[in-house]
Amino acid sequence: GQQVMQIPQYQHVQEGEDFTTYCNSSTTLSNIQWYKQRPGGHPVFLIQLVKSGEVKKQKRLTFQFGEAKKNSSLHITATQTTDVGTYFCAGPKDSNYQLIWGAGTKLIIKP
Amino acid sequence: DAGVIQSPRHEVTEMGQEVTLRCKPISGHNSLFWYRQTMMRGLELLIYFNNNVPIDDSGMPEDRFSAKMPNASFSTLKIQPSEPRDSAVYFCASSALLGETQYFGPGTRLLVL
Repeated sequence: GQQVMQIPQYQHVQEGEDFTTYCNSSTTLSNIQWYKQRPGGHPVFLIQLVKSGEVKKQKRLTFQFGEAKKNSSLHITATQTTDVGTYFCAGPKDSNYQLIWGAGTKLIIKP
Repeated sequence: DAGVIQSPRHEVTEMGQEVTLRCKPISGHNSLFWYRQTMMRGLELLIYFNNNVPIDDSGMPEDRFSAKMPNASFSTLKIQPSEPRDSAVYFCASSALLGETQYFGPGTRLLVL
């Protein structure tokens, strides 16, 4: 069936280092969405990408949608403690538009 | 807008008891989703509704789980009887349309002893 794979599962970084998470779909997606879940919180929508090759920025966060609309990435420049949490990607299923979720990448800041 | 509202926020119960979780979606949203999140299994979709009609309940783990949406502004997820392995955070989310942005409630943290 249709799947969305997300790597890595965890990433430990020193504060100030960069962070990247990657998302790959088994099929072409009409859009891809990114969510952030803080520890103890709930997933919160960050952004939606729709166009092939699209790049969007939110301050230190850069989101990309691949040319084939099957992969996406989120890059955080110079991480801060406020960036800690789990980042999820999700895309609509072909058959019924239900969102299929990646497993998430947990960003951990080393003390 | 108040966002998605869930109650209770925390629930501690004993094995065998009935648990009912409640959700009020964002007004005007047509789709409602129930998720379960655990460390071991991550975020799992249990069931979702579109225009109050259950569309896919294949994620509901067992017959002990049931969900209803009697109207556009209210949904329940019931576990009867509850078991310790049901301990998790249960999220309700809503979206204006299927496939569009989902807005999550704060979750219900369920502990079954």
